[in-house]
Amino acid sequence: AQSVTQPDIHITVSEGASLELRCNYSYGATPYLFWYVQSPGQGLQLLLKYFSGDTLVQGIKGFEAEFKRSQSSFNLRKPSVHWSDAAEYFCAVGPYYNTDKLIFGTGTRLQVFP
Amino acid sequence: EPEVTQTPSHQVTQMGQEVILRCVPISNHLYFYWYRQILGQKVEFLVSFYNNEISEKSEIFDDQFSVERPDGSNFTLKIRSTKLEDSAMYFCASSPDRGLSEQFFGPGTRLTVL
Repeated sequence: AQSVTQPDIHITVSEGASLELRCNYSYGATPYLFWYVQSPGQGLQLLLKYFSGDTLVQGIKGFEAEFKRSQSSFNLRKPSVHWSDAAEYFCAVGPYYNTDKLIFGTGTRLQVFP
Repeated sequence: EPEVTQTPSHQVTQMGQEVILRCVPISNHLYFYWYRQILGQKVEFLVSFYNNEISEKSEIFDDQFSVERPDGSNFTLKIRSTKLEDSAMYFCASSPDRGLSEQFFGPGTRLTVL
C-alpha cells in the first residue's frame, strides 16, 4: 500500500540556518510527490510538486526538493530559513492510476528561533 | 487569486446532532474533495466528487457521511449523527482536472463534537 513517512515530528532551527525536512514514500510506481505547508489557521498551500523530469524541483518561498528514487525520498530544503517559515509541513504522494486521493505524511512542525 | 473558502471556521455540536460543512470551490474547477485531520494525526482522504456523483470514497466515509453540490457553487459535507471521534479539522479541496492537477485546499473547518 502507498504510504508516506515524515520521520521528524518537530524541528527547531535558528533564523538564517539551513533546513532539510525528510520525506520517505512507499509507492508502486513512479510517484507524484508534493510538499504542502500549513500556517496556523490557514489551509494547505502547495509549496512544490514533482511529476517527472528534473529531480530537483523549485517551489515557492525559496524552497526546493530533490526526488531520489534509490532512497525513496523527497526531502524539502531551504538554504536560509526566515521566521515566517514557522509552520507545519506535509509531504504527500498521489494520485495514482484510478485514484485521485493524496496520501499525506504525519507532518513536521517547524519552529524558528530569532 | 481564486481560493477555496469554507464555512464555518469552527463548529461545535453535540454528539448525535447533524452538521453540514460548507465549501465554495474555485469556480472553474470540476473535481472536489474532502479530507480530514484528527488532532495530531495525518490528513486523511474522505471522498472525491465529480459530475454530481462520488467518484471515490475511503473506508472512513460510511453511511453517516454524505456530500452534495446543491447549486453551482457550494459543495457540502453532511454528517448525520456526529460521534466524538468525528472531531477533526475538515478540509475541502478542488482541482480543475483529475490526475496530475494540483488540489487547492481551503482553510478548513474545525469540528468539535461534545
